[in-house]
Amino acid sequence: AQTVTQSQPEMSVQEAETVTLSCTYDTSESDYYLFWYKQPPSRQMILVIRQEAYKQQNATENRFSVNFQKAAKSFSLKISDSQLGDAAMYFCALGETSGSRLTFGEGTQLTVNP
Amino acid sequence: GAGVSQSPSNKVTEKGKDVELRCDPISGHTALYWYRQRLGQGLEFLIYFQGNSAPDKSGLPSDRFSAERTGESVSTLTIQRTQQEDSAVYLCASSPLWAGGSDTQYFGPGTRLTVL
Repeated sequence: AQTVTQSQPEMSVQEAETVTLSCTYDTSESDYYLFWYKQPPSRQMILVIRQEAYKQQNATENRFSVNFQKAAKSFSLKISDSQLGDAAMYFCALGETSGSRLTFGEGTQLTVNP
Repeated sequence: GAGVSQSPSNKVTEKGKDVELRCDPISGHTALYWYRQRLGQGLEFLIYFQGNSAPDKSGLPSDRFSAERTGESVSTLTIQRTQQEDSAVYLCASSPLWAGGSDTQYFGPGTRLTVL
């Protein structure tokens, strides 16, 4: 069975600074997909970034980038130039090609201090 | 176009009552998922519909939970004889058809269920 672990229940960052959120996972599949979702207090899950396991290049989306280490089964999210609107719960998720369901971590609550 | 919509936004019920939660996926999305999120926790998979294939019900926690989907449209999650431990946010997501692989899931705003 696949598992996703987020070891940081809470993180904080100063506005305009950089923060990294950690995620490790376990799967027996060789081809899979990894996601970071953001959930603000409105409950709406918003896709931040996705990474296909077969791609060696790390995904980037504007201020958001990942450090994907396949051998170590690690998938961290870096947020650069943090903004107040980045404050939210962040979830790491794993999607296996064969099953299509997502397995989520427990989440990291990010606070951005002005 | 419109995103995934869910109704009601909030539902308060008494223990032992049945509830129905509705999900309207994004038009054209053939895959539909239900997840449960207990307070302060991550999302737990419940059930998955893909086109006309038999649904994957492996995440349903008990036989009190069931879900239906008509074609590629609306889905209803039904919880019978609700218990207090059923209190959670129920999230629905949809995904476009992607032959041979997983694809991005787009989530609705969820239904917060409170069982008194």
